[in-house]
Amino acid sequence: KAGVTQTPRYLIKTRGQQVTLSCSPISGHRSVSWYQQTPGQGLQFLFEYFSETQRNKGNFPGRFSGRQFSNSRSEMNVSTLELGDSALYLCASRPPGVETQYFGPGTRLLVL
Amino acid sequence: TQLLEQSPQFLSIQEGENLTVYCNSSSVFSSLQWYRQEPGEGPVLLVTVVTGGEVKKLKRLTFQFGDARKDSSLHITAAQPGDTGLYLCAGLNAGNMLTFGGGTRLMVKP
Repeated sequence: KAGVTQTPRYLIKTRGQQVTLSCSPISGHRSVSWYQQTPGQGLQFLFEYFSETQRNKGNFPGRFSGRQFSNSRSEMNVSTLELGDSALYLCASRPPGVETQYFGPGTRLLVL
Repeated sequence: TQLLEQSPQFLSIQEGENLTVYCNSSSVFSSLQWYRQEPGEGPVLLVTVVTGGEVKKLKRLTFQFGDARKDSSLHITAAQPGDTGLYLCAGLNAGNMLTFGGGTRLMVKP
């Protein structure tokens, strides 16, 4: 089975712009979670989607949003980018009834 | 907010040495997971511990879950350069959300 894929792998944006990141989970996995990883804050949970519904949400401002499609692929959007949004954004999927999360390689976002 | 504190944050050792990484919290978790992350990649699950007092071994790695399910440790015996990476513990709460520790960056020098 192919692993979790994320596109793009690298992205450079300027302050005030918006960005959309994409995640394709492992086939058969219906749960997709997003995390932000920074050197200062570590890995922080953004949100989780299951069957196109947001099931859990972390403590991030409303500028961070996401959605999931019927094929379980997910996108996250960050509007009005700030310098502090520079981070590695990780997507993880997991199969039904299993706690193990399978992470993608991440999208590294740099905001200038 | 449930917090997981990992120590040490950084560890640089020589090949062949032993080491222990700690993951502590004041909260109880239904299970605790350990991940290893290499540069340019996402974290990869090493083990999940579920029962208080549980000990799991994965070759040279030994994982222990505290009796009260609030803390865990990872012990590596005879570390090798291939063990270099970022080790992350993550606790799963009743709401099925993972909370990650800050990570321990391990470097094993040949």
